[in-house]
Amino acid sequence: ETGVTQTPRHLVMGMTNKKSLKCEQHLGHNAMYWYKQSAKKPLELMFVYNFKEQTENNSVPSRFSPECPNSSHLFLHLHTLQPEDSALYLCASSPGGREHYEQYFGPGTRLTVT
Amino acid sequence: AQSVTQLGSHVSVSEGALVLLRCNYSSSVPPYLFWYVQYPNQGLQLLLKYTSAATLVKGINGFEAEFKKSETSFHLTKPSAHMSDAAEYFCAVSYFLGTSYGKLTFGQGTILTVHP
Repeated sequence: ETGVTQTPRHLVMGMTNKKSLKCEQHLGHNAMYWYKQSAKKPLELMFVYNFKEQTENNSVPSRFSPECPNSSHLFLHLHTLQPEDSALYLCASSPGGREHYEQYFGPGTRLTVT
Repeated sequence: AQSVTQLGSHVSVSEGALVLLRCNYSSSVPPYLFWYVQYPNQGLQLLLKYTSAATLVKGINGFEAEFKKSETSFHLTKPSAHMSDAAEYFCAVSYFLGTSYGKLTFGQGTILTVHP
């Protein structure tokens, strides 16, 4: 595997379900990000992890819970979601430290909440 | 505060025509600037970046962009459009200050349509 991978690519879940999105980067980076991309809206940064520590949470509702066990893996745990949470969720990574800016993206998980 | 504005949410060109996608930024310190492309059902792919070296930056797939400080612009161009260039393009700005990291701020995206 190369680059940034995300699983699953597509997910349909009910509002009472609990599911998790997984992201893995094979680039040796130290920073990882979750973004939400909704139709007709700018890309929204959700969470930032730098060297496994969460450094940013952009007022994301608690029904989204991130986890970063190491610099290569990032999870987004989902529970009691709302239909408006349906979107493409993108994971990205960057070298971190002084080089946060050059981000590499995964293919995304298309989430549909029914 | 930093921000980026992409002028035109949709741009349509004929195959072989010049592609010009506009991006203006607002930043209180020298910016780093990026263009990303997103094909349907895929993530964002880095096309090119400006990080305070040459002001004319060449990227993948024949695209280039020119950093113009006086105009606070970073427009993306390609001399001859291909059908395969049809996608959504995002301009992004970041800056680095001392030891603080450079969070990317994205524009709203421009959808490029290429007609045969």
